[in-house]
Order: sequence, then structure tokens, then C-alpha cells
Amino acid sequence: DAGVIQSPRHEVTEMGQEVTLRCKPISGHNSLFWYRQTMMRGLELLIYFNNNVPIDDSGMPEDRFSAKMPNASFSTLKIQPSEPRDSAVYFCASREGLIDYTFGSGTRLTVV
Amino acid sequence: LAKTTQPISMDSYEGQEVNITCSHNNIATNDYITWYQQFPSQGPRFIIQGYKTKVTNEVASLFIPADRKSSTLSLPRVSLSDTAVYYCLVGSYNTDKLIFGTGTRLQVFP
Repeated sequence: DAGVIQSPRHEVTEMGQEVTLRCKPISGHNSLFWYRQTMMRGLELLIYFNNNVPIDDSGMPEDRFSAKMPNASFSTLKIQPSEPRDSAVYFCASREGLIDYTFGSGTRLTVV
Repeated sequence: LAKTTQPISMDSYEGQEVNITCSHNNIATNDYITWYQQFPSQGPRFIIQGYKTKVTNEVASLFIPADRKSSTLSLPRVSLSDTAVYYCLVGSYNTDKLIFGTGTRLQVFP
């Protein structure tokens, strides 16, 4: 199993541009989570899905952020328009009903 | 979700045993205690989980006293590669989401 796959690994974009982060969870895992990590705020849960349905998006900072999971093998996190304060490492994680999560390697986003 | 408290940072030397204690005074009956390890530029990685007494695997041991209000992650004979941030979390099999605290930054010196 290749684990949770995130793309791109690094993204540099200009303020105001749209950014799309992608995640492929582990096959068979029924829950998917998006986290954001910064030095100041640590690991923050943004949104999570159960069986492709968004369950809790209370961590999404603003309407500029949106996430979708069109099927069990793919999810996207979109930021439009991006701002410098969105610079962070974004992690995707999946879980198969138990408490142990598997995280991807993350996408390092830099907005200049 | 039970809140956890752990030291911000710890230093150690290669070959020593490291014990990281986590407080979780409000742990619920159904909650398990789980520890994650995060290396720089990587996502957190599950290392051990327990409910009570002692759990041991190839990476670490987890000690949980009878009242379960705290737990101790024990790393035997650490090496430089154990330098990482260690997170303690509590939750049940019905917990929808994991909330990470600040973690403990372990620095191992040669």
C-alpha cells in the first residue's frame, strides 16, 4: 500500500491565485481529514469526511477555503483567493474506522 | 474530547531512556490513549496506543496507571533519529476527530 498520497509536495503561488491541493486516501479507509500545520498554531483540523460526506467543517478558516470528496479515492482542498497567511503545510489523513490515522507527507504551500 | 497536557520540549542523549508524560485528567471511560510521532517535513505517524496498564511494541512502551489520568511514553535507548515531536491524544473508537495539542519536541544529542 502506497499510503496516503498528497500532491503537490510543494506549491508556491502569488496572492490572489487559486490553489488546489489533492489527496488520495488509503483504499478502504472511510474517513478523510484535512489538517493545516503552522509554527504558531500547530496542527489544526480543517474538515473531515465520512464515506465521502463532509461531517465537520468548523475548522475551515474562511469561505475562501473549500473541500470536496467526489469519491472514496480522491479529495481536494481549494483556496480561492489565496493569501500570504495561508502559507502552511497541509496534511491529509485517512482512517478506517479505528483511532489510528495515516497521514500523507503534506503539501507545503507558500503564498507570496 | 479530553484535553491533554505534556511538556513542550525535552532533551536527551543517545542511548538513554526517555519518558514523556502526558496528563489527561478528564479522560472518559471509553477513551484510549494514542501517541503519534512527527519528524520534520513529514506527517504524524502512529506509534502506540493503550487503554490501561502497559503496552509495548517494537518502538516504545506505554505505561498507564490505574486512574488513567496520565500516561507515560517510554522510548528505550534513543538515537539521533528519535528526534521528533511526540503527540499524546485521547479518544474513543467513536471519536470522530483527533485534536492535536502542542506536542513534546524531543531533541536527542550525540
